Amino acid sequence: SQTIHQWPATLVQPVGSPLSLECTVEGTSNPNLYWYRQAAGRGLQLLFYSVGIGQISSEVPQNLSASRPQDRQFILSSKKLLLSDSGFYLCAWSVRRVADEKLFFGSGTQLSVL
Amino acid sequence: AQKVTQAQTEISVVEKEDVTLDCVYETRDTTYYLFWYKQPPSGELVFLIRRNSFDEQNEISGRYSWNFQKSTSSFNFTITASQVVDSAVYFCALSEGGGYNKLIFGAGTRLAVHP
Repeated sequence: SQTIHQWPATLVQPVGSPLSLECTVEGTSNPNLYWYRQAAGRGLQLLFYSVGIGQISSEVPQNLSASRPQDRQFILSSKKLLLSDSGFYLCAWSVRRVADEKLFFGSGTQLSVL
Repeated sequence: AQKVTQAQTEISVVEKEDVTLDCVYETRDTTYYLFWYKQPPSGELVFLIRRNSFDEQNEISGRYSWNFQKSTSSFNFTITASQVVDSAVYFCALSEGGGYNKLIFGAGTRLAVHP
């Protein structure tokens, strides 16, 4: 069966420090991968998606970047964190990249930038 | 523009009560998909249901039921005889047909079921 792992679960970082969040998927090949952010009291916002190794699409301009160095690994990074980067970050995957496809989510990373 | 509105921020009920979570959406597409996801305290979102715009049949799955009405652009979710394990944040989402699965999420409704 397929599983998705995301770490760390909680992270507290000072403003201006770098960030690296990692997500890996097991039990499937060539998944479509996504990074979402959930701000307090708001819905999830799609940040990045990837259809393959090295292929990253950004949905919103921001202080973050994503990379996919391996088929089932998706990394969210920042060189210098801002206060506004605080939030709950969720990694997700899907089999297909079509409109009716459901997503499978990781357990998320709560990031607090102080 | 696409938009999903979940007007109820928080709902609190006592166990065994029925509860309905509202979802209103906006889209110009004739082909679209609607979803409900559940986010328990553990954090991960869990898929509950998917509906396409051409299928207005209501669906029932155990204690869960969904009412899709295109005339009012609503896709409401009802939990019958609620249980403490139903406590979670519930998200309604919209995906427009013809493209990839870019989900537009509502802000979520936090449901607290008390014993």
